[in-house]
Amino acid sequence: DSGVTQTPKHLITATGQRVTLRCSPRSGDLSVYWYQQSLDQGLQFLIQYYNGEERAKGNILERFSAQQFPDLHSELNLSSLELGDSALYFCASSVSGRGTYNEQFFGPGTRLTVL
Amino acid sequence: AQSVTQPDIHITVSEGASLELRCNYSYGATPYLFWYVQSPGQGLQLLLKYFSGDTLVQGIKGFEAEFKRSQSSFNLRKPSVHWSDAAEYFCAVGSGGSYIPTFGRGTSLIVHP
Repeated sequence: DSGVTQTPKHLITATGQRVTLRCSPRSGDLSVYWYQQSLDQGLQFLIQYYNGEERAKGNILERFSAQQFPDLHSELNLSSLELGDSALYFCASSVSGRGTYNEQFFGPGTRLTVL
Repeated sequence: AQSVTQPDIHITVSEGASLELRCNYSYGATPYLFWYVQSPGQGLQLLLKYFSGDTLVQGIKGFEAEFKRSQSSFNLRKPSVHWSDAAEYFCAVGSGGSYIPTFGRGTSLIVHP
């Protein structure tokens, strides 16, 4: 158990809908990262938040957005869902995420299925 | 931009046999290199990492990896595989000021009894 929690574990929805994935980082970790794992694209970095502020952006679609709240939990919002958005979405957290290396600890993921 | 290639999609070994998973990277300078393992239904776990110094890196669970700059490789090895090692293994590279890894497509390890 990495200490990173993600809810829900599974999510099934229809095209055009909007969903919110939630991540609680390990206690004391300030950085949260979101990744998408799909058969087509492999494991791709989406976005990082550090202490409430966006820190780095990867291959995140404009239909997707994220935020990190004062209690440091994070939400990834996916809207206008398409079949191709079906994937496993991972959250990871690290102590910092600025300057020096800090190991990322991954949650178990949320499996999103878009029908 | 950096990239990672894991040439083998699947590797099958017998329990007790040695293992080598291949990883090649593309990056101009000295990269940060990682190996992660993903067990079924689990998130990724860091096995080991290389930033600088000794090119032979020891990790958890008896794994090691060797950085070879001349071959742009960072292969993962284990002398004797256990059935519990069956999982998906990802090589990743980071660069410059970013420690956010770029992942390879993964190698699925199957262990036969």
